Amino acid sequence: EVQLLESGGGLVQPGGSLRLSCAASGFTFSNYAMGWVRQAPGKGLEWVSGISGSGDTAYYADSVKGRFTISRDKSRNTVDVQMNSLRADDTAVYYCAKPVTFMMTLGGVVAPSYYFNYWGRGTLVTVSS
Amino acid sequence: DIQMTQSPSTLSASVGDRVTITCRASQSINTWLAWYQQKPGKAPKLLIYKASTLESGVPSRFSGSGSGTDFTLTISSLQPDDFATYYCQQYISYCTFGQGTNLAIK
Repeated sequence: EVQLLESGGGLVQPGGSLRLSCAASGFTFSNYAMGWVRQAPGKGLEWVSGISGSGDTAYYADSVKGRFTISRDKSRNTVDVQMNSLRADDTAVYYCAKPVTFMMTLGGVVAPSYYFNYWGRGTLVTVSS
Repeated sequence: DIQMTQSPSTLSASVGDRVTITCRASQSINTWLAWYQQKPGKAPKLLIYKASTLESGVPSRFSGSGSGTDFTLTISSLQPDDFATYYCQQYISYCTFGQGTNLAIK
């Protein structure tokens, strides 16, 4: 059974940093891309970041590019996201998710695309002074 | 970026009703579309992918259709467990979610 368990959420001041971690089990971790999706309070879902199975390639939403860094540790079966320069609009529940991944060519650009068949329970990040 | 727009934003219905939720993409996404169900305080649950393929374990009262820019999610006979928020999501380029449709009890 696939299980994803997030940790590391909490209250942080604007401009601060936080590191979220997701422990994965129930599948061959290094064979699959992983991702993070967030949901602001009372709002919809927003993809944040994805990382390849090998960990060689990472992708980010424009809203977090340059501030968030995704990584994975195959020895611990974990995927982390380091969040720096946090802002109030980063306040959200952050879900770790295991995607089904495709490499697509759109407009001459090759990029990954994802839909998510497994999700963690989420961890709440609150950015506030 | 590809934008996804769902309608309606809120839908009130009764047990046994047939309901349809619409999702429109800002450009053609072929059939690279998924639908999710989310209940309060819970993670989303995948219902449908490739516009019309039912995820394993999802009841057959759920169905999806469409291609290009226009898609629908239909629940043939609403059950009490179906009152939730539904999201569409494109996956032709990264992924983008619709804003959600809250299906409430009338």
